[in-house]
Amino acid sequence: DGGITQSPKYLFRKEGQNVTLSCEQNLNHDAMYWYRQDPGQGLRLIYYSQIVNDFQKGDIAEGYSVSREKKESFPLTVTSAQKNPTAFYLCASSTRATNEQFFGPGTRLTVL
Amino acid sequence: ILNVEQSPQSLHVQEGDSTNFTCSFPSSNFYALHWYRWETAKSPEALFVMTLNGDEKKKGRISATLNTKEGYSYLYIKGSQPEDSATYLCAFNSGGYNKLIFGAGTRLAVHP
Repeated sequence: DGGITQSPKYLFRKEGQNVTLSCEQNLNHDAMYWYRQDPGQGLRLIYYSQIVNDFQKGDIAEGYSVSREKKESFPLTVTSAQKNPTAFYLCASSTRATNEQFFGPGTRLTVL
Repeated sequence: ILNVEQSPQSLHVQEGDSTNFTCSFPSSNFYALHWYRWETAKSPEALFVMTLNGDEKKKGRISATLNTKEGYSYLYIKGSQPEDSATYLCAFNSGGYNKLIFGAGTRLAVHP
């Protein structure tokens, strides 16, 4: 089955700890994206990558880091520098042709 | 700063009612407008990608129109069913691989 997987579904973290969210796709898409959703707001772009070994900051990159060592994988690290990390995180990937984005099921991160 | 607005924020209708909602976006540098449906506990699912002024797209009971000159798109649902209950997101794309700018969504609840 082709698709995007994110793990874990729920994640709890103590304040001051870094945590890494996984995103894997087997759709052979070049571009991958990380979004954050907060109540009452639209999806906000954290980081995106158009090609392996390259990525760009989105609108709210502060306190986050990413890597793109493989086409299939785009992990997001939420660092202790992120002041308000509790949120729902969505990963997506897209084709070159239409930029139609396909989404994973999301990870809900809660900082205790 | 590019802004995408959706209205209304939420909508409650009875089964069988037809309904519509609006997405407003910048009228300059238009490349594509995307509509997604996001059901609770699932991933956002692409409904339409619209690229030409005057475009009309249809999928079953759901259709959408596009006016790029004035910067708006309408999504229509004919004869709403409880399974149509979801958040409907629109996203503006200003060019090719450029990131999508999402609206906050319209949350639709269809009551039996």
